[in-house]
Amino acid sequence: QSVLTQPPSASGTPGQRVTISCSGSSSNIGSNYVYWYQQLPGTAPKLLIYRNNQRPSGVPDRFSGSKSGTSASLAISGLRSEDEADYYCAAWDDSLSGHWVFGGGTKLTVL
Amino acid sequence: QVQLVESGGGLVKPGGSLRLSCAASGFTFSDYYMSWIRQAPGKGLEWVSYISSSSSYTNYADSVKGRFTISRDNAKNSLYLQMNSLRAEDTAVYYCARGGRVGELPFDYWGQGTLVTVSS
Repeated sequence: QSVLTQPPSASGTPGQRVTISCSGSSSNIGSNYVYWYQQLPGTAPKLLIYRNNQRPSGVPDRFSGSKSGTSASLAISGLRSEDEADYYCAAWDDSLSGHWVFGGGTKLTVL
Repeated sequence: QVQLVESGGGLVKPGGSLRLSCAASGFTFSDYYMSWIRQAPGKGLEWVSYISSSSSYTNYADSVKGRFTISRDNAKNSLYLQMNSLRAEDTAVYYCARGGRVGELPFDYWGQGTLVTVSS
């Protein structure tokens, strides 16, 4: 199983606000930045949020990130059908020689 | 614009070898760490390896340590992954991604991926 824990699925109706959680430990989320990636069906992942809550240029402000302790969340407000995708959290893990870890991914369905 | 194009995937028997390549363009390749990340069919993302901009530092996931070797050729703007002693569990789409250095933006650009299938 993945080092970072995400719910396997989430859903919402257009216009709603949904949140996706990501739980880790002191060696990863607790001491390092969290990143979020969006993977639309059949495509490569895309960076959505960096350094816990920053959006790359071009990412709508409907997407926001937060972190508290050893957990993080991605919030999507004003849900749209095109937001239907898999979402992954990631962080550097300081354990052993250090390595990147990902969450198992959350499939977001727009009903 | 930044482009990363992987190649070299295919079908290989257990115990076999394969070399993946990633051609980079649209940015100063020699300035950036580079990484390989894989995704097994229907599964999540797994970081595989990164290499520093000058090839001085490399790091590997435990699952591939001792079997995979990452390398780069800055003169050719290319990243490589030599995969030996392949196992069925290495079957995945392998993505080349920019970044991987702690403290910098990780995986801000990805290639389209190349599929590696390990099967007899």
